[in-house]
Amino acid sequence: SAVISQKPSRDICQRGTSLTIQCQVDSQVTMMFWYRQQPGQSLTLIATANQGSEATYESGFVIDKFPISRPNLTFSTLTVSNMSPEDSSIYLCSVILGGISYEQYFGPGTRLTVT
Amino acid sequence: GEDVEQSLFLSVREGDSSVINCTYTDSSSTYLYWYKQEPGAGLQLLTYIFSNMDMKQDQRLTVLLNKKDKHLSLRIADTQTGDSAIYFCAENVAGANNLFFGTGTRLTVIP
Repeated sequence: SAVISQKPSRDICQRGTSLTIQCQVDSQVTMMFWYRQQPGQSLTLIATANQGSEATYESGFVIDKFPISRPNLTFSTLTVSNMSPEDSSIYLCSVILGGISYEQYFGPGTRLTVT
Repeated sequence: GEDVEQSLFLSVREGDSSVINCTYTDSSSTYLYWYKQEPGAGLQLLTYIFSNMDMKQDQRLTVLLNKKDKHLSLRIADTQTGDSAIYFCAENVAGANNLFFGTGTRLTVIP
């Protein structure tokens, strides 16, 4: 398995501000993802964080709102920009280990509340 | 699109078996997963099954896959209070690396 940490673990932010969430993995991984879990809901994929290139966003998510960086194979950041209360969610990074083994592990999540 | 459904709630008595069910629509699923989410925590990968398998057992956990009916279940034997959590099934479909999640089933274990 992988040890995945996220910072911050939780934050309360004001409307209109931005928050950058960090995800650190203890081993090099090829694939990293960012998911959102809105209150009482399931997980929705925001984007795939690609090392050395722009992230690939899912329908409904755009780079201006959720810019992502992936400078190397163990680290990624997700920024939630110009926040509104609708952005209050848990944000989770996840990684796939191995080549053909689709074991996908999740970080502990960042619980964001926007007031 | 991918549609993964689960019943929202399940209550069982401590020591009984729990069975959590999941249905999915995409027949190109390659792997199917069960995750556990405890209050305030992230997702813990419990087990996964390759789509050409019917069953996988891992200690107290038994996964059954009926590919014809697109039905996945997770049986927890001798359920304990520590098993109380939300359980998500998820599928990985051909051509995609990310997972598509079900709505989650909140399991409550009654002492």
